[in-house]
Amino acid sequence: KAGVTQTPRYLIKTRGQQVTLSCSPISGHRSVSWYQQTPGQGLQFLFEYFSETQRNKGNFPGRFSGRQFSNSRSEMNVSTLELGDSALYLCASRYGDSYEQYFGPGTRLTVT
Amino acid sequence: GIQVEQSPPDLILQEGANSTLRCNFSDSVNNLQWFHQNPWGQLINLFYIPSGTKQNGRLSATTVATERYSLLYISSSQTTDSGVYFCAVDGRGSTLGRLYFGRGTQLTVWP
Repeated sequence: KAGVTQTPRYLIKTRGQQVTLSCSPISGHRSVSWYQQTPGQGLQFLFEYFSETQRNKGNFPGRFSGRQFSNSRSEMNVSTLELGDSALYLCASRYGDSYEQYFGPGTRLTVT
Repeated sequence: GIQVEQSPPDLILQEGANSTLRCNFSDSVNNLQWFHQNPWGQLINLFYIPSGTKQNGRLSATTVATERYSLLYISSSQTTDSGVYFCAVDGRGSTLGRLYFGRGTQLTVWP
């Protein structure tokens, strides 16, 4: 069974631009969560989607948004990029309401 | 939110040595996972262990939920074990599905 996939793997953007990241969960998994990893703040939860509905949201500004499609693929969008948004963005999927989460390889975003 | 503390923050070993990594958490949890972050950033699942003991080759883990801690044991360390090890827990109730991570233990294994 294929793992969680994320595209693109690397991205360079300029301050003020917006960016969209994509995550495809493991086949059969309907829950997708997003995390941001920075050296200063560590790994922080952004949001979780299940069956196209956002069920949980972390403490990030409204510039961070997401959505989930009927095939469980998820996208997250960051508008008006700031230098501090430079980070590794990881998504994870899980089966139903089981607890164990599986992570993708991440998208490394650099904002210049 | 749930507080997760990992110790030690850094660990340097020679190949063949054994090590113990600790994770303390501040509240009751449904889920506890140990991950190894590879050099490219991906989190590799090591154990899903909300309670009890599990073993997988040279690695084993024990979680004592009533005392709110978990231990990851690495025996006969190899250079390929190097990297950051994270403990993460899943909150109960409304935060179900949200993982809280510790700051990790950076393990370096020298040949």
